[in-house]
Amino acid sequence: GAVVSQHPSRVICKSGTSVKIECRSLDFQATTMFWYRQFPKQSLMLMATSNEGSKATYEQGVEKDKFLINHASLTLSTLTVTSAHPEDSSFYICSARLGRNYEQYFGPGTRLTVT
Amino acid sequence: GQQLNQSPQSMFIQEGEDVSMNCTSSSIFNTWLWYKQDPGEGPVLLIALYKAGELTSNGRLTAQFGITRKDSFLNISASIPSDVGIYFCAGIGRGTYKYIFGTGTRLKVLA
Repeated sequence: GAVVSQHPSRVICKSGTSVKIECRSLDFQATTMFWYRQFPKQSLMLMATSNEGSKATYEQGVEKDKFLINHASLTLSTLTVTSAHPEDSSFYICSARLGRNYEQYFGPGTRLTVT
Repeated sequence: GQQLNQSPQSMFIQEGEDVSMNCTSSSIFNTWLWYKQDPGEGPVLLIALYKAGELTSNGRLTAQFGITRKDSFLNISASIPSDVGIYFCAGIGRGTYKYIFGTGTRLKVLA
């Protein structure tokens, strides 16, 4: 149980274009979903927290107009990287929180490469 | 952003050996969690700890919530090649459910 999927697993896009990444909780309803970014050989850095039906809360230093988050339902959150630049290339990972539980279950990640 | 200190940063061990790693913080946490991440994958939850002093096992893995609430330990007994990966601790402070991740311990097992 507690499976989280992400799509796509890999994406290559050109500078200036936008990319949408989907995060789904497959067998549970997620009260909260989180988006992280991970650079090579580094830890995960929280970008934003999203709750279904409300605006996402962004961490300090994360541009909300660049990283658009939509939490449309209890099982789906999307992250759109707008006007992508090469420095946006990274591994993006989502996670979902189950009920009142503190535990987060992570998706398999999306490798974004901006050329 | 804030990160927790993990030690060691990396380690090579022989198959069959026991492994110990720890995670320390300058502030108190109410929950400690340990995850394993394989290359190109998302982290997988190993153990969650909710009380100071708590000792919890999951197969060959044992984790402890430090008495001071500022540290946590993970032990792996009789390591096997598939234990290779990066181990992250995560802490949750009071009044929040957001994780603070550790810097990670990279484990390599020599067969």
